[in-house]
Amino acid sequence: DAGVTQSPTHLIKTRGQHVTLRCSPISGHKSVSWYQQVLGQGPQFIFQYYEKEERGRGNFPDRFSARQFPNYSSELNVNALLLGDSALYLCASSQGGEVEQYFGPGTRLTVT
Amino acid sequence: GEDVEQSLFLSVREGDSSVINCTYTDSSSTYLYWYKQEPGAGLQLLTYIFSNMDMKQDQRLTVLLNKKDKHLSLRIADTQTGDSAIYFCAENTGFQKLVFGTGTRLLVSP
Repeated sequence: DAGVTQSPTHLIKTRGQHVTLRCSPISGHKSVSWYQQVLGQGPQFIFQYYEKEERGRGNFPDRFSARQFPNYSSELNVNALLLGDSALYLCASSQGGEVEQYFGPGTRLTVT
Repeated sequence: GEDVEQSLFLSVREGDSSVINCTYTDSSSTYLYWYKQEPGAGLQLLTYIFSNMDMKQDQRLTVLLNKKDKHLSLRIADTQTGDSAIYFCAENTGFQKLVFGTGTRLLVSP
């Protein structure tokens, strides 16, 4: 079975631009969560979606938004990019009420 | 508040046991996790423990939980060079929101 997939793998953007990152959960999983991992730190929670509804939001500005589609895939959007948004963005999937969350390989975003 | 702390670095010799420690602050956390991250990769779930347990063993991995002191540890028996990575502990603070520590870099030398 395929694990969590994310695209693109790498991305370089300029300050002020916007970016869309994509995530496909493990087949059968209905919950997707997004995390930001800045170099040298642990991942920080951004959003969780379950059955297309937002279930949790971390301490991130409104420039960050996300949505989940009927097939349970998800997009993370970041507007007005800042240099500090440079990070590895990780997507995790789970069945919803389960304990285990499985992470994808991440999208490395560089903002110049 | 949410704050998970780990020591930054651990160096061991191949074949020795490694013990990675973690302290957390949210006493309402239901599950606590250990993840492994290799360079340039995502996070691999190693194991987790329910908050009403004090020990869990899974092959070479042993997790100990002291809920009173909010202390979690991961012991890796017979550590191998392939175990070299960054290890993160994390607590589930609700709605599957994970709060991660800063990570412990484990270096295993031959």
